[in-house]
Amino acid sequence: EIVLTQSPGTLSLSPGQRATLSCRASQSVSSTYLAWFQQKPGQSPRLLIYGASSRATGIPDRFSGSGSGTDFTLTISRLEPEDFAVYYCQQYGSSPLYTFGQGTKLEIK
Amino acid sequence: EVQLVESGGGLVQPGGSLRLSCAASGFTFSDYAMSWVRQAPGKGLEWVSAISAGGTSTYYADSVKGRLTISRDDSKNTLYLQMNSLRVDDTAVYYCAGRVVAAKTYAFDIWGQGTMVTVSS
Repeated sequence: EIVLTQSPGTLSLSPGQRATLSCRASQSVSSTYLAWFQQKPGQSPRLLIYGASSRATGIPDRFSGSGSGTDFTLTISRLEPEDFAVYYCQQYGSSPLYTFGQGTKLEIK
Repeated sequence: EVQLVESGGGLVQPGGSLRLSCAASGFTFSDYAMSWVRQAPGKGLEWVSAISAGGTSTYYADSVKGRLTISRDDSKNTLYLQMNSLRVDDTAVYYCAGRVVAAKTYAFDIWGQGTMVTVSS
């Protein structure tokens, strides 16, 4: 079973700053199968990035994904007030079929 | 409008049963592989179960295997989750989520608003 570990658990930044969120897998993950989601309080998750680096429909270009193998990164180039939320990485695999990281909370400093 | 609407959640005693439904609209439901994802209060996301487009294959997390059963009725554009032998640790918001198979994103691009299941005596 692949375990995804996200860091940091909480990231405190100000609007306008750059955010870098990490997702580390316990085994190598194909980039094709790595995604990132954003979840705001009281809302359903929203797909941001799939295939490690492809933005989903309607996602602003300040969001970017990168990485390969066991290390993946979500970068928000310049934080907007609406970007403060919890972010999850997710991988598609064999057993279990999907795995989520534990999440990184991005909070306003 | 593309939409998934869950229903069927509620309060149930340990050992009891519930059946969740997820009604799809605004897109071709049969083109989507569907899943249930849950989130315990104040916790992260946990994938629970999936069913292939067409319904020929089903998958379960170890924590629910043998107790929960996923199914779909493409004629009704509806996904189901039959939940039996419920435990206190099944308490969570249950989301249905889907991914369009042809796009090969392997990620959920459609989510419902969730339905709360509370297992308590």
